[in-house]
Amino acid sequence: GESVGLHLPTLSVQEGDNSIINCAYSNSASDYFIWYKQESGKGPQFIIDIRSNMDKRQGQRVTVLLNKTVKHLSLQIAATQPGDSAVYFCAEILMTTDSWGKLQFGAGTQVVVTP
Amino acid sequence: DAGVTQSPTHLIKTRGQQVTLRCSPISGHKSVSWYQQVLGQGPQFIFQYYEKEERGRGNFPDRFSARQFPNYSSELNVNALLLGDSALYLCASSSGTVSNQPQHFGDGTRLSIL
Repeated sequence: GESVGLHLPTLSVQEGDNSIINCAYSNSASDYFIWYKQESGKGPQFIIDIRSNMDKRQGQRVTVLLNKTVKHLSLQIAATQPGDSAVYFCAEILMTTDSWGKLQFGAGTQVVVTP
Repeated sequence: DAGVTQSPTHLIKTRGQQVTLRCSPISGHKSVSWYQQVLGQGPQFIFQYYEKEERGRGNFPDRFSARQFPNYSSELNVNALLLGDSALYLCASSSGTVSNQPQHFGDGTRLSIL
């Protein structure tokens, strides 16, 4: 399929190492954040989410950290595997004026896992 | 269980034509949202529907319209196609509103305008 990651920042990681993907979000009022993984030719796949009342949340091999002071999110992947190669997006929920929210995606980071 | 399904997977149209894209949400999900993803960028929000009513609209022209059916499936229509409409169109569903539940995406419809 077509590459999703054309012109995106790239993070090269050696297999077995830990990966850290960073994301700056735009709205200090955002209170729900999601990380997605998108492989070539596929739609974004939900990885993990976090609400603004938390600083850290762990899943299977993944950890999300939220720093509301500087509007920063990070995704840590432990023991990175070749199957982790993909584009990773952070997304924040922006509330619309009538209290409904919409997902706003960051620019994305291409992760390349090398043997 | 089946995930979000979209049809067709690929579509080629010419400028000025009209197109209809279809989406079936995950069973039990009542919210459907549509996104446009241009190559090399993150998805951009177009519409959200919840319980068959439009709940949000992104910064897209009136050529873009959508609807949700009683079975919660949805269609996205684009009229008077332009070259710049070439993109991957993604549908996402969630069990609740966007603000409190994660959205799950289909694999999209790749639309190419000649």
